[in-house]
Amino acid sequence: ETGVTQSPTHLIKTRGQQVTLRCSSQSGHNTVSWYQQALGQGPQFIFQYYREEENGRGNFPPRFSGLQFPNYSSELNVNALELDDSALYLCASSPSPGNNEQFFGPGTRLTVL
Amino acid sequence: AQRVTQPEKLLSVFKGAPVELKCNYSYSGSPELFWYVQYSRQRLQLLLRHISRESIKGFTADLNKGETSFHLKKPFAQEEDSAMYYCAPPTVANAGGTSYGKLTFGQGTILTVHP
Repeated sequence: ETGVTQSPTHLIKTRGQQVTLRCSSQSGHNTVSWYQQALGQGPQFIFQYYREEENGRGNFPPRFSGLQFPNYSSELNVNALELDDSALYLCASSPSPGNNEQFFGPGTRLTVL
Repeated sequence: AQRVTQPEKLLSVFKGAPVELKCNYSYSGSPELFWYVQYSRQRLQLLLRHISRESIKGFTADLNKGETSFHLKKPFAQEEDSAMYYCAPPTVANAGGTSYGKLTFGQGTILTVHP
């Protein structure tokens, strides 16, 4: 069984730039959720993807967007980066949309300068 | 909006001592609660879910609906228990007719078990 993988591990960008983070879900999981974890805080839900469509969203602006592909992998895109976007971005997969037992990837550390 | 509170940011105990990590939640429905753990340099992982009533690594958690609490307990702490612990009551909501699950994490408690 292959676990959740994310790439890249670390990323440094400057304000105003755009970034794309990638996630491969665990084998057999068709649902991917993205979380933002700022330093010293718990993860916050960004959105979930199921059947290649956004299936629920947290309190994040539209410049946070995503994609899901037929193989269930997913991308998180952030446009017009701000300093406060610096965080660890976690991807989690689950067997179905309403399944709350989620399996997390190692995260991508994004630093915005 | 659902809220979860972990009142202790840091908790230190000695090896062999009992440990309790507190979690209080606000939830209007019947909650399904999780504890997640993150060991140093490892990914966030599920420790236990209350619905299964399992004991994982010696930890248990009892849901107290009256007090809206879901405290994590272990009678004899071990050094390898040192980690960040998150209480996470999930939400199942509806978006366009399809349900989705999301976890609402507390701020976490850093547990340090001294030798």
